[in-house]
Amino acid sequence: EAGVAQSPRYKIIEKRQSVAFWCNPISGHATLYWYQQILGQGPKLLIQFQNNGVVDDSQLPKDRFSAERLKGVDSTLKIQPAKLEDSAVYLCASSLVGQPSYNEQFFGPGTRLTVL
Amino acid sequence: AQSVAQPEDQVNVAEGNPLTVKCTYSVSGNPYLFWYVQYPNRGLQFLLKYITGDNLVKGSYGFEAEFNKSQTSFHLKKPSALVSDSALYFCAVSLASGGSYIPTFGRGTSLIVHP
Repeated sequence: EAGVAQSPRYKIIEKRQSVAFWCNPISGHATLYWYQQILGQGPKLLIQFQNNGVVDDSQLPKDRFSAERLKGVDSTLKIQPAKLEDSAVYLCASSLVGQPSYNEQFFGPGTRLTVL
Repeated sequence: AQSVAQPEDQVNVAEGNPLTVKCTYSVSGNPYLFWYVQYPNRGLQFLLKYITGDNLVKGSYGFEAEFNKSQTSFHLKKPSALVSDSALYFCAVSLASGGSYIPTFGRGTSLIVHP
């Protein structure tokens, strides 16, 4: 079984530039999560999708972050414009359809973003 | 609001000794609790979960965790540590919030197993 795929693995940009991250979840997984993990901290949920609908985005900084999952499969997270404090690893995870609370999440390798 | 605390940034243990990585939580309802592990240069991996039922849950790689409702704890344990268990461990809680289930992670505990 293929795992969660993310690209790129690394990205370096200057502040005020834009950047996009891509995630392809495990086949058949209806729930998709985007997390931000700052060095020394645990993952912080940014947005949670069930199929192509948003379940929760209460912690997504909507003035600069956006995410979509148009066909209920892969997803894109965008930052525009980036700030220095956005430097972090961005993790994508997926879990099976159904009650997401029951199901463990499968994580991708993450994208390490450095904003200069 | 729900929260998870991992009070130790680092746990050191000798190979062959038992290990415990602590986790406490704060929620207003019945929690669903998880442990994940992050090996160097690898993604987070699921270890075990507590949903309901037996307070002692067993997971991957010989790990287990005990749910203690009165102490609001979910400590991760292993009877005999291996050097290969050295990694970053995250406790997480998932609780219903406004009709959805929002996962919250602790800040992580670095486990170092010495030969």
